Amino acid sequence: EVQLLESGGGLVQPGGSLRLSCAASGFTFSKYAMSWVRQAPGKGLEWVSAVNGGGRSTYYADSVKGRFTISRDNSKNTLYLQMNSLRAEDTAVYYCAKDTAYYYDSSGYYLNWGQGTLVTVSS
Amino acid sequence: EIVLTQSPGTLSLSPGERATLSCRASQRIGTTYLAWYQQKPGQAPRLLIYGASSRATGIPDRFSGSGSGTDFTLTISRLEPEDFAVYYCQQYASSRTFGQGTKVEIK
Repeated sequence: EVQLLESGGGLVQPGGSLRLSCAASGFTFSKYAMSWVRQAPGKGLEWVSAVNGGGRSTYYADSVKGRFTISRDNSKNTLYLQMNSLRAEDTAVYYCAKDTAYYYDSSGYYLNWGQGTLVTVSS
Repeated sequence: EIVLTQSPGTLSLSPGERATLSCRASQRIGTTYLAWYQQKPGQAPRLLIYGASSRATGIPDRFSGSGSGTDFTLTISRLEPEDFAVYYCQQYASSRTFGQGTKVEIK
C-alpha cells in the first residue's frame, strides 16, 4: 500500500523559511516523479512543484519560482520542499503526491496523496 | 498557463439525482490530459477520472467523464449520500493546473 506522510509544517513569520518532508513507502520511490500541491484555507488546489525520479530535473509554478526548492533523497525514500522568503499567500495545506511515471513530462495526474501539512505564514 | 474554469460553482441536488459538472479550458488540451478529483472536508483529493474518461481503480461506475479539446464533463448518474463533496478538474497537457472547484451540496 502506497503511503505518503508529510511533516515540517508550522507557523513562520513573513520572510522566514521552512522545510517540508514527505516520507514515502509501499512503492519503489526512485521510479516515480513526485510533486507538491497546496491548498490555501477554503480555496482550491494549486500545483507547486515536481521532480523527476532521479532528482535532477525540477519544475516550479511561477508563484514559487526562485523561492522554493524541491529535492529528494532516494536512499531515504523522502521528498523535500525548501521554502524561503515566505509570504502570507503561501499559507496553505501542502500535499505531496505521487506521479504516475519517472518523468514529470510523461505523467500528470495523482492517484496517491499524503494527508497534508499546514504551513501558516503570519506575524 | 492553461486556465480551467469550472461551472457551476455550486450544484444543489438531492440523492438519486443526476449531477453534471463542467470544466472548460482556456486552450485545447487534447483528449487525454484531463483528470477529475473528489475532495471532502479535511481530506486529501481522491482521483476519480484520468485521461478525460478512464475511471480510477475502485471508482463506482456512476462516475463518468467525457469531453475533448476545451470542454469536459464529469457526470454522476445517481447521487449517493457520500458523493456530496467538492470536485476539481486538472489538466496536465502543459504543466499542471486545477479548476477552482464545484461544490455538490444536498438540496
